[in-house]
Amino acid sequence: AQTVTQSQPEMSVQEAETVTLSCTYDTSESDYYLFWYKQPPSRQMILVIRQEAYKQQNATENRFSVNFQKAAKSFSLKISDSQLGDAAMYFCAYRSYYGGSQGNLIFGKGTKLSVKP
Amino acid sequence: KAGVTQTPRYLIKTRGQQVTLSCSPISGHRSVSWYQQTPGQGLQFLFEYFSETQRNKGNFPGRFSGRQFSNSRSEMNVSTLELGDSALYLCASSLAGTNQGLEQFFGPGTRLTVL
Repeated sequence: AQTVTQSQPEMSVQEAETVTLSCTYDTSESDYYLFWYKQPPSRQMILVIRQEAYKQQNATENRFSVNFQKAAKSFSLKISDSQLGDAAMYFCAYRSYYGGSQGNLIFGKGTKLSVKP
Repeated sequence: KAGVTQTPRYLIKTRGQQVTLSCSPISGHRSVSWYQQTPGQGLQFLFEYFSETQRNKGNFPGRFSGRQFSNSRSEMNVSTLELGDSALYLCASSLAGTNQGLEQFFGPGTRLTVL
């Protein structure tokens, strides 16, 4: 069974600085998807960024980028130029490539990010 | 396009009762998944429905059940409520649940408190 581990329960960053959130996972599959989701205090979970395991290039979405190390099974999220609105719980998630009966997301425990003005 | 909606947003029940939660997916989305979120266990997958059929199921007791209607709206039911069922229940919809329409869009959740 696949597992996702986020070893940092809480992180803090100064506004405009850069922060990196860690995520490791365990799987025997070679093809899969990885995601970072953000859950602000309002509770609506939104997708931040996704990475296909078969792509070597790291995904980037504006100020958000990932460092995907497939061999190490590591998937960290870097937030550049942090803003107050980035304060939220961040969840790393895994999904099997094949979907269907294996299409559910497997989440880590989350990292609570605080942004200091 | 309207997002995923869940009703009710808050619910208080007592042990032994049963509860039904509702989820309306984004228009055109045929897959609806349910997740339970608690401080201790985090986010755990309950089940997924696609075209009115349960396609995937997590490791929850039979007290947790669900269904999906022809318009893709979904309901989940919890019978004989226990204190440990207190949680935020999240619904997520996607286009197809396969490699197409990969992204899952989440609703705001229903906060269930069992007293």
